[in-house]
Amino acid sequence: EAQVTQNPRYLITVTGKKLTVTCSQNMNHEYMSWYRQDPGLGLRQIYYSMNVEVTDKGDVPEGYKVSRKEKRNFPLILESPSPNQTSLYFCASSRAGLPSEQYFGPGTRLTVT
Amino acid sequence: ELKVEQNPLFLSMQEGKNYTIYCNYSTTSDRLYWYRQDPGKSLESLFVLLSNGAVKQEGRLMASLDTKARLSTLHITAAVHDLSATYFCAVGENDMRFGAGTRLTVKP
Repeated sequence: EAQVTQNPRYLITVTGKKLTVTCSQNMNHEYMSWYRQDPGLGLRQIYYSMNVEVTDKGDVPEGYKVSRKEKRNFPLILESPSPNQTSLYFCASSRAGLPSEQYFGPGTRLTVT
Repeated sequence: ELKVEQNPLFLSMQEGKNYTIYCNYSTTSDRLYWYRQDPGKSLESLFVLLSNGAVKQEGRLMASLDTKARLSTLHITAAVHDLSATYFCAVGENDMRFGAGTRLTVKP
């Protein structure tokens, strides 16, 4: 089954404790992206990647890091989480080169206390 | 900076009625996406609109794109309860901008 998976689905952590949210897709997509969703703000793009070893900042990259060492994986790293990073996070992937809809993962609900 | 505005943000409809959701964006783009999100769920793609005048239909939903006016519409025909969800438009190539979403509630 074609899918985007994220882990963990739920996470409660404390300020300053480094964490990683994993994202993996099995569709051989070149493009992957991370978003955060907050009430009333829609989705805001954090980082995206056009292919392996190619990443770019989105609209709200501060406080986040990403890496793309393999085509299927695109982890989101919060080196020192803060309460304002409490949010619902979505990973998405799509084909590159052609306009193509994104396939979204199930979401990760992160709470930073 | 690309901005995307949707309206209305909240929409309560009676079953059987028609309505339109509007998506305005601030800079030139020839591709626009519509997504649906059910409560507590992820997003799923509805439409990809790629050129001026593009129109796509799926069931009771029809989306159109006017690149000159920088406007897309999502028209709902004879709404049914199953259409209750939040609808997002998104614009961009690699750096995507989403609207705030329209929460649609269809009442019997």
